[in-house]
Amino acid sequence: QITLKESGPTLVKPTQTLTLTCTFSGFSLNTTGVAVGWIRQPAGKALEWLAVIFWDDDKRYSPSLNSRLAITKDTSKNQVVLTMTNMDPMDTATYYCAHRPRVRGYNYFDPWGQGTLVTVSS
Amino acid sequence: DIQMTQSPSSLSASVGDRVTVTCRASQGISTSLNWYQQKPGKAPNLLIYAASSLQSGVPSRFSGSGSGTDFTLTISSLQPEDFATYYCQQGYRTPYTFGQGTELEIK
Repeated sequence: QITLKESGPTLVKPTQTLTLTCTFSGFSLNTTGVAVGWIRQPAGKALEWLAVIFWDDDKRYSPSLNSRLAITKDTSKNQVVLTMTNMDPMDTATYYCAHRPRVRGYNYFDPWGQGTLVTVSS
Repeated sequence: DIQMTQSPSSLSASVGDRVTVTCRASQGISTSLNWYQQKPGKAPNLLIYAASSLQSGVPSRFSGSGSGTDFTLTISSLQPEDFATYYCQQGYRTPYTFGQGTELEIK
């Protein structure tokens, strides 16, 4: 059974850097084809894809946030870390991490973590 | 970026109704289209991947079709637990963009 869980601060101040950790079980990020992605959702709004890291350490980012994001993996700990710099109140959202299965040619996310709400406020 | 446009944005329907949600991509994405269901306060749940493949455990009343730029999600006979918000997502190229969502409400 694959599970993921997000952890990190619930409140950050404007201009600070957010660090979120996704701790997973049931799969390995050493397995060819596997990836972990991050997606966020402001309250009452749509899902927004942020970043993904693949088994081979290939990393892709949302172009609109590229300069502020960094994604890394620690396969020994089964963790993926997302950092977002220069936080703004507009970044207030629930942040999800999700598993991208080893399915050749298709990119989808299943399952997802429960999500963690991050509020940006002074 | 590939833009994903869903229609309608909201939909009222009754239990037992057949419902269709559409998703259009701003450029061709072959069959790299996925559908998720999200209930309030919960994480999204994968329903359909690769445009028409039903995820394991998802009821067969859900189906997907389409290729290129136009896709549909169909629920053949709405059940009370199907009232939720539905999102399409393209997996063709990063950024893996989502549609704006379709909220399915009880009539």
